[in-house]
Amino acid sequence: NAGVTQTPKFQVLKTGQSMTLQCAQDMNHEYMSWYRQDPGMGLRLIHYSVGAGITDQGEVPNGYNVSRSTTEDFPLRLLSAAPSQTSVYFCASRPPRTFFCTFGSGTRLTVV
Amino acid sequence: DAKTTQPNSMESNEEEPVHLPCNHSTISGTDYIHWYRQLPSQGPEYVIHGLTSNVNNRMASLAIAEDRKSSTLILHRATLRDAAVYYCILGGSQGNLIFGKGTKLSVKP
Repeated sequence: NAGVTQTPKFQVLKTGQSMTLQCAQDMNHEYMSWYRQDPGMGLRLIHYSVGAGITDQGEVPNGYNVSRSTTEDFPLRLLSAAPSQTSVYFCASRPPRTFFCTFGSGTRLTVV
Repeated sequence: DAKTTQPNSMESNEEEPVHLPCNHSTISGTDYIHWYRQLPSQGPEYVIHGLTSNVNNRMASLAIAEDRKSSTLILHRATLRDAAVYYCILGGSQGNLIFGKGTKLSVKP
């Protein structure tokens, strides 16, 4: 099993550009989530999904959109990138009613 | 979500036990105590969780105070590979993991 796969690993954007961070899992997990981690900080929850067709906001949702059309994929869209969105982004998934969250290896995004 | 308090950093010597404390005085009766760790340049990984009783697994032990207002993650013999940021998180199985800043553990050879 590949687990949670995030692409790309690195990305540089110009202010105002849009892009989609990809996240895919092959474990048939219903729950998926996106976090961002700024230098020296813990992870902050952006959006999450408890199943296909269901998404909800986390702690810091502004500037990001998500959709969940399949169980496997949970893309994160930056609508108009800003320097404040420079961060490392982590995607995670877990089975329902468990605590065993599996994280991807992250996408390092720089907005200039 | 109930909050946790952890020291910003701790140091340990290799092959010695490490006790990582976590205070959670506002924990509710249904909150589980989760521990995750994040190795350098990696995503977090699950370490252990518990509700009321002490728990052991191949990675660590979790000691939970009788009043559940604090807990301690125990690494029995620290290795250089255990150098990481350790996060103590409260919540149920249906909720989200809300991370604090965690404790940065340094392991000296």
